[in-house]
Amino acid sequence: GESVGLHLPTLSVQEGDNSIINCAYSNSASDYFIWYKQESGKGPQFIIDIRSNMDKRQGQRVTVLLNKTVKHLSLQIAATQPGDSAVYFCAEDGFGNEKLTFGTGTRLTIIP
Amino acid sequence: GAGVSQTPSNKVTEKGKDVELRCDPISGHTALYWYRQSLGQGLEFLIYFQGNSAPDKSGLPSDRFSAERTGGSVSTLTIQRTQQEDSAVYLCASSLGGGTGRRKLFFGSGTQLSVL
Repeated sequence: GESVGLHLPTLSVQEGDNSIINCAYSNSASDYFIWYKQESGKGPQFIIDIRSNMDKRQGQRVTVLLNKTVKHLSLQIAATQPGDSAVYFCAEDGFGNEKLTFGTGTRLTIIP
Repeated sequence: GAGVSQTPSNKVTEKGKDVELRCDPISGHTALYWYRQSLGQGLEFLIYFQGNSAPDKSGLPSDRFSAERTGGSVSTLTIQRTQQEDSAVYLCASSLGGGTGRRKLFFGSGTQLSVL
C-alpha cells in the first residue's frame, strides 16, 4: 500500500503561538483523513477528521486543511498550550476498506 | 461509557514464550483493529475485524502472529515463540464501521510488550 509521510519529525513552538504540522500523502484515491494526538504512554487520541470532498474543517483551536492537488494535509493548532505537546499522526483511508495507514508522526514541543 | 480496554498494560516475557494480549472494544463497535508501534515509530497495521466478515490479516508479520475475535466483541492477539524484535506497544482500536462517517478509530492505551 501507499504510505503517508510527514515533512518534519520534530517541531518546537512557543506557548501561545500557532503551530502547523504538515503531512504528505501519495494515494490520490484516499477519501478520508484523520489527525491523532498521542501523549507519552497513551494510545492515539482522535483530534479531527476530514473527507476528501472538503478543503477545510475547524474544531476547537484546531483546523485541518486538505489540498488534493498536491496531496497535502495540515493541522493547525491555535494558541498552543503546554498540553499540546505530543506526537501528532496523520492517517488516511485510501482503499475504502476502513484500514487506516498512519504516517511516522511529528513530535510537537511547546516551549513555556 | 468505557473506552477501549487493553490488558495487560505491560508484559515482560522471555524469548521463545507465547503471549496473549487482550482487547475489549467499545460496546457496539463492529470493527476492531490491532496495530503495532515500535519505539519512536508510527503505527503498523496488523489485523482488522469487521462484523462477521473474514478478518484482514494482511499486516501480520509472520505466522507466529494470530488473532481472533469471539462473539464479535473481545479480541485476543497471540504471539507464539516470541522474538526480541516483537518488543513494541500493541495497540487495539475499534470503530463503528460500515462507511465513511463511521471510520473514526478509538484506541486503547496499548500493551507494552518486552521480550528479553
